[in-house]
Amino acid sequence: EVQLVESGGGLVQPGGSLRLSCAASGFTFSSYAMTWVRRAPGKGLDWVSSISDNSDSTYYADSVRGRFTISRDNSKNTLYLQMNALRVEDTALYYCAKGKIFDSGLGSWGQGTLVTVSS
Amino acid sequence: QSVLTQPPSVSAAPGQKVTISCSGSSSNIGNNHLSWYQQVPGTAPKLLIYEDDKRPSGIPDRFSGSKSGTSATLGITGLQTGDEADYYCGAWDGSLNTGVFGGGTSLTVL
Repeated sequence: EVQLVESGGGLVQPGGSLRLSCAASGFTFSSYAMTWVRRAPGKGLDWVSSISDNSDSTYYADSVRGRFTISRDNSKNTLYLQMNALRVEDTALYYCAKGKIFDSGLGSWGQGTLVTVSS
Repeated sequence: QSVLTQPPSVSAAPGQKVTISCSGSSSNIGNNHLSWYQQVPGTAPKLLIYEDDKRPSGIPDRFSGSKSGTSATLGITGLQTGDEADYYCGAWDGSLNTGVFGGGTSLTVL
């Protein structure tokens, strides 16, 4: 059974940093692209970033490019999202998902980790 | 303003059929595969449809997807109260070089 468990969320002041982690199990992690998606309070799903299976390719939403960095450690079956220069509008529940939004879609999702940016 | 356009809400009676539209452009739906997601309040999103019209294992055939040009449609037949959720379309945008979601459609089963 595929399991994705996010961690690392919390309360941070504007301008601060957080690193989210997503521990994966139940599938061959190194064979799949991975994606971060967020949902802000009262808003819809918002695609954040994706990384290829071997980390060769990374993609970012315009709203986070230059501030967020996606990475993965295939030896630890773990996906990361380093978030710097956080803004109030980054407040959201952050989900990691297996796959890409195209082709086979985002086939499995974690339960999310909450990031709150507030002074 | 979302790149993909969905109606904010739809409703229908139990047992009836409903369709949810998703409109985009040649840079996303027109030239890339589309997927659909269901998010029941308080839970994580779930993949319903991938590659425009394919169902993952475990998704009942009450759910169907279709695409024509730069628009797509999710169909749900035999509506159940458990289908009440937010539904999102998603695609890759080749011009933006990012993933994009529709704004979401809230389904009410009356």
